[in-house]
Formats: sequence, C-alpha cells, structure tokens
Amino acid sequence: SYVLTQPPSVSVAPGKTARISCGGDNIATKSVHWYQQKPGQAPVLVVFDDTDRSSGIPERFSGSNSGNTATLTIRRVEAGDEADYYCQVWDSNDDPVIFGGGTKLTVL
Amino acid sequence: QVQLVQSGPELKKPGASVQVSCKTSGYIFADKYVHWVRQAPGQGLEWMGWINPKNGGTNYAQKFQGRVTVTRDTSTKTVYMDLKRLRSDDTAVYFCARDSGNFLVSWGQGTLVAISS
Repeated sequence: SYVLTQPPSVSVAPGKTARISCGGDNIATKSVHWYQQKPGQAPVLVVFDDTDRSSGIPERFSGSNSGNTATLTIRRVEAGDEADYYCQVWDSNDDPVIFGGGTKLTVL
Repeated sequence: QVQLVQSGPELKKPGASVQVSCKTSGYIFADKYVHWVRQAPGQGLEWMGWINPKNGGTNYAQKFQGRVTVTRDTSTKTVYMDLKRLRSDDTAVYFCARDSGNFLVSWGQGTLVAISS
C-alpha cells in the first residue's frame, strides 16, 4: 500500500518559517491534505487539495506538492502553532485513506 | 453548524466487544461519508473504515476486516462503530469524522477505549 513519510520532529523559533515535509512515491499525482492536532484534541483540517486553506486557518499556513514531496509551510510561527501535523492522501488501491506518521512541531 | 458528538469512554476486557456512537447534526446526513480513525497512546492516526449513510455501504481497512462493523441509523443521524475480539493494543482514542471529497473536514471529540483485564 501507499506510504507517506514525515520527519518525526521539526523545531523552529518564533517568527521564523517552519516547513514540514510529506514524502511519497510520485505524490504530486495525488491531492495532499494536512491536519493539525494539539494535545488532547481532535485533528483539525488546515490545508486540503495541496494548497487550499480550510475555513478559519490563517494565511500563514500554506501547502505545496511537487515530485515526491508535499510540504506544509507555516510562516511567522507562533507558540500556538505547536502541535502534531499529519499529511493524508486518498489512494485507489488497498486502504483508501492513508496518513503520514505525523510530525511534532516544536516552537523554541 | 456541523457537529459530531461521540459516546463516552469505555473500559473493556480482552476478548470483549465495544460499540462507539457518533451523533451527527448540521448537515444532510445522507450526503457525506462518515469515517472512523483511531489513535493509540503516543501514536499517529490510523484509518479504520467508512460508511456511506445513504445506502449503508461500507469499506474497511484490511487490518480490521472481520473485526470491525460500521452501521448507521438514519432516523437519529447516528453512526456506530463496533469492534470485537478486543486486545490490549486496541487501547486508543477513536474518532469519527465526516468527509468532503477525499479529506476529513469535521471530527468528533474522540472516545477513549481502554482494554484491560
């Protein structure tokens, strides 16, 4: 089945830019979606279809997808952005909903 | 507004079964698939399956086939997830979520299911 690979952790100073990658075989041919999950809470959709921000998500959040890597970019990072981030795709083979392993974003 | 409200925490013994409910509101129930996703302690998200509320059709992850059943009650707009032959590694928070195309746009609050003898 299709595999999505994320770095376990990313650290960034406040005000800087965080980039969280999601690797997959020819992932550019798929639509990638991103979720933010804070401790003890349900995931929240932040970006869908590679680049579209979900309702209420700040413009600081953006997505891109090319080649074998999709990226969630968070500009002007704030302490409140500290969370786990998961990428997800829909796969027509085997199990249709595939999640990456998740990336813990730490704001220094 | 769209809401998915799940049932409360469960404590079960190994080998038992559990049912978690997900009551929906704020949208046309028949129009969107409802999925179940679980998260073991300290782990990532794991997709379990979906139901098409319009006709009751289901699709389950290979890992859970034979152990999970998802049903719905159209009169109460509620979706149910039954998991049987519980094991200790089924201890997790179970989420229901409504999709919009091929992503999950609205999530329930989660239900902790703990398995312990």
